[in-house]
Amino acid sequence: DAKTTQPPSMDCAEGRAANLPCNHSTISGNEYVYWYRQIHSQGPQYIIHGLKNNETNEMASLIITEDRKSSTLILPHATLRDTAVYYCIVRAPGGSARQLTFGSGTQLTVLP
Amino acid sequence: DGGITQSPKYLFRKEGQNVTLSCEQNLNHDAMYWYRQDPGQGLRLIYYSQIVNDFQKGDIAEGYSVSREKKESFPLTVTSAQKNPTAFYLCASQPQGRTEAFFGQGTRLTVV
Repeated sequence: DAKTTQPPSMDCAEGRAANLPCNHSTISGNEYVYWYRQIHSQGPQYIIHGLKNNETNEMASLIITEDRKSSTLILPHATLRDTAVYYCIVRAPGGSARQLTFGSGTQLTVLP
Repeated sequence: DGGITQSPKYLFRKEGQNVTLSCEQNLNHDAMYWYRQDPGQGLRLIYYSQIVNDFQKGDIAEGYSVSREKKESFPLTVTSAQKNPTAFYLCASQPQGRTEAFFGQGTRLTVV
């Protein structure tokens, strides 16, 4: 799996959009970008994934640059419950979760 | 609601005792996984199972055992042979052909 780089921490005001960046300059043509988050003392939660087109679901939007070397996860209206560590990972389709690893991620703190 | 249920959320064990952590899923996923997460560290794979009645050791299987008698259930036993069992244990499942994994809420085991 390609390596990713994320800022260690970010703050966001409640109600504002949280934009979490991720660099993955060595991504291969068939690799997807996945985002998970882990709230303190809970299990990781899958958020969204994408290949090259922008994706949106009920939780977030994922914007992938045209060259696919970076992406941004957007939480449109952050709440206090969105405070968590956010992990960006790059994986080939169908990859087994036995190879799943999380880096250090970005600690997002939503401030009241 | 479909999901993965781990129980108990908190578990205390005396040294020298075996203890079993429960993991149940109603997502109809074939593959299930057990990970260990220590403070500030990523996931480490203990055991995984791709189908019923079959399971494989992960990277840190020593001192642990599992069974997979039913598709829905993948219990993990932490034996007295595990030298440092105090940790946060995560169970996950994965749908066939998909890369995203779905996690339980975790069990925090403390040896006293």
